[in-house]
Amino acid sequence: GQQLNQSPQSMFIQEGEDVSMNCTSSSIFNTWLWYKQDPGEGPVLLIALYKAGELTSNGRLTAQFGITRKDSFLNISASIPSDVGIYFCAGRGTGTASKLTFGTGTRLQVTL
Amino acid sequence: DTGVSQNPRHKITKRGQNVTFRCDPISEHNRLYWYRQTLGQGPEFLTYFQNEAQLEKSRLLSDRFSAERPKGSFSTLEIQRTEQGDSAMYLCASSLVGWETQYFGPGTRLLVL
Repeated sequence: GQQLNQSPQSMFIQEGEDVSMNCTSSSIFNTWLWYKQDPGEGPVLLIALYKAGELTSNGRLTAQFGITRKDSFLNISASIPSDVGIYFCAGRGTGTASKLTFGTGTRLQVTL
Repeated sequence: DTGVSQNPRHKITKRGQNVTFRCDPISEHNRLYWYRQTLGQGPEFLTYFQNEAQLEKSRLLSDRFSAERPKGSFSTLEIQRTEQGDSAMYLCASSLVGWETQYFGPGTRLLVL
């Protein structure tokens, strides 16, 4: 099935550093969502974006809905060890389709 | 806990056997979704329900797969004559109509030997 292009695939950073990851699509989306997934668990919602250009924060996390509606990025500031995990973007398309299309994931490793 | 729940969390079966998974959505959510996730990939959409009506099915959902939501509350996903390629994490999510935010359960990890 279709998956969104997400980069980078993996990141190794030191505690306290800022992190940036992005997601691009060839299709327009009406909604962008960012999730974090720990091993053996389901994705946990971090941030939801509903309008082109929208910038939303959730604690140390900030995400933006791209103006073209074909991309989104997620920033994490001052990373901590519990930020370790896989981050997925997900988009909901136009029309009546309700399904989410997910990115390929960014694996984040934080070293002390 | 009022989140999405899934049972069982893990299932090991032999090829050719049938398996059934259950999902209980967040109580007031009228939309329920099934996704499949293989190792190293993001979740892929299988099907979704609005109340008891199954509104969309992915081409990933072969005729060996069937999903039901008979009373518009919990849902079951059955896989008949399992194959090794069915080994994956099966995720359930729920949402409210008009709100596109989907909340996921912990998943059921299936291993077909």
